[in-house]
Amino acid sequence: KQEVTQIPAALSVPEGENLVLNCSFTDSAIYNLQWFRQDPGKGLTSLLLIQSSQREQTSGRLNASLDKSSGRSTLYIAASQPGDSATYLCAVRYMTTDSWGKLQFGAGTQVVVTP
Amino acid sequence: SAVISQKPSRDICQRGTSLTIQCQVDSQVTMMFWYRQQPGQSLTLIATANQGSEATYESGFVIDKFPISRPNLTFSTLTVSNMSPEDSSIYLCSVAGGPVGELFFGEGSRLTVL
Repeated sequence: KQEVTQIPAALSVPEGENLVLNCSFTDSAIYNLQWFRQDPGKGLTSLLLIQSSQREQTSGRLNASLDKSSGRSTLYIAASQPGDSATYLCAVRYMTTDSWGKLQFGAGTQVVVTP
Repeated sequence: SAVISQKPSRDICQRGTSLTIQCQVDSQVTMMFWYRQQPGQSLTLIATANQGSEATYESGFVIDKFPISRPNLTFSTLTVSNMSPEDSSIYLCSVAGGPVGELFFGEGSRLTVL
């Protein structure tokens, strides 16, 4: 079964610390993996997308790695700020028999950055 | 990136009524998706709405309960019919854009059914 797991479910860090968020998936046959941020009661904001052929992507303070062989992706957020407080979701687009594939979301990691 | 507008942003409805949610995209897209996010849960795909074809529903979701229209490449609607309190959720419109199918989401429509 093609699943996505995010551990931990919740994380609290003091401002300035680096954040490390984990995403695990069960099948290495993927098109891509995408990280999102969701503020309470809001939609999802795309942070980074890593294609299957890539090992990492960077955007500002954010860096995401992908290791297909171990079924893992890690999102690093450097020098965290209170504004980084949100729920972070990863979504994996698994390959299937149809051209689009199957998109599977993790349950998310709720992050609180304390001043 | 794609900019997606959803209306309404929130609504409170009575049991047994229906509500139609609109999704407008600032560019033409082929693939559009409707998701539901129940309180404290992750996202569940309701259906895929591609222009020019009938929407494809996921297991557990039926057209009579969640009829979808996709009249052109920039617009779609989702109706939640005969609502019950269990339908209280955030409903999200999403599109796949660009060469690698990056997903973009609207702000969501928060529905409360009394």
